[in-house]
Amino acid sequence: GENVEQHPSTLSVQEGDSAVIKCTYSDSASNYFPWYKQELGKRPQLIIDIRSNVGEKKDQRIAVTLNKTAKHFSLHITETQPEDSAVYFCAAMNTGNQFYFGTGTSLTVIP
Amino acid sequence: KAGVTQTPRYLIKTRGQQVTLSCSPISGHRSVSWYQQTPGQGLQFLFEYFSETQRNKGNFPGRFSGRQFSNSRSEMNVSTLELGDSALYLCASSLEGTGGYTFGSGTRLTVV
Repeated sequence: GENVEQHPSTLSVQEGDSAVIKCTYSDSASNYFPWYKQELGKRPQLIIDIRSNVGEKKDQRIAVTLNKTAKHFSLHITETQPEDSAVYFCAAMNTGNQFYFGTGTSLTVIP
Repeated sequence: KAGVTQTPRYLIKTRGQQVTLSCSPISGHRSVSWYQQTPGQGLQFLFEYFSETQRNKGNFPGRFSGRQFSNSRSEMNVSTLELGDSALYLCASSLEGTGGYTFGSGTRLTVV
C-alpha cells in the first residue's frame, strides 16, 4: 500500500517568514494530493490540493508543488501570520480512492 | 449549505461494549469515508462508502464496520470495545470520492 512520510514534525518560524513542509509518497499511481490544516480542537480543513497532472498550484499565500518523478510534494506558506499556527497534514490518494495521511507538522508562527 | 455533521460529539463507553457513530454528509455528496485520529498514530483510514457500497477498507480489525444509507448518511460501528479504541473518529464527505473531502467535527470516543 501507499506510505506517506511528512517532515518536519514540528516547525517554528518568525511572523512574516516562509514555512515549507515536505511529504514523500511511495505509490507512483497516487494521483491526488491534498493538504489539511487542523487547529487545536477543530476539524481538519482542506487548504489546497493538487492532482498528478499539475506541477504547481497557488492560492494567495499558500502554494503546493509536486514532483512526480521524485514522488514528493511540498506545502509553501509565505508571509506567515500567527493564525497560520496549526497542525498541517498532507495526504495521497491512490487509484483506489484510498487516502493515506502523513503524520502531521505542528507549525508555530512566533509574533 | 450545511457541513458534515457527526453525532454524538462525545462518548464514554466501557470495555466490551459496542458503539455506533453517525455521519451526515454534505447534501449531494455520495462518498463518505471514516478516519481514526490518535496522537500516536495520526489519521488512519478506516473505510469509504459510495452509493451504499463499501468501496475501500483500511487495515482495521473486523470489529470496525460501517454502512451507508440511501440518503448517503453513514454509520460506523465498533464492537467489543478496547481501551486502544479511544480516539477521535472523523468522517469526511466528497461529491464523487475523487477528492475535495470535507471533514466533520468528529466524535471523541473514550473507552474506560
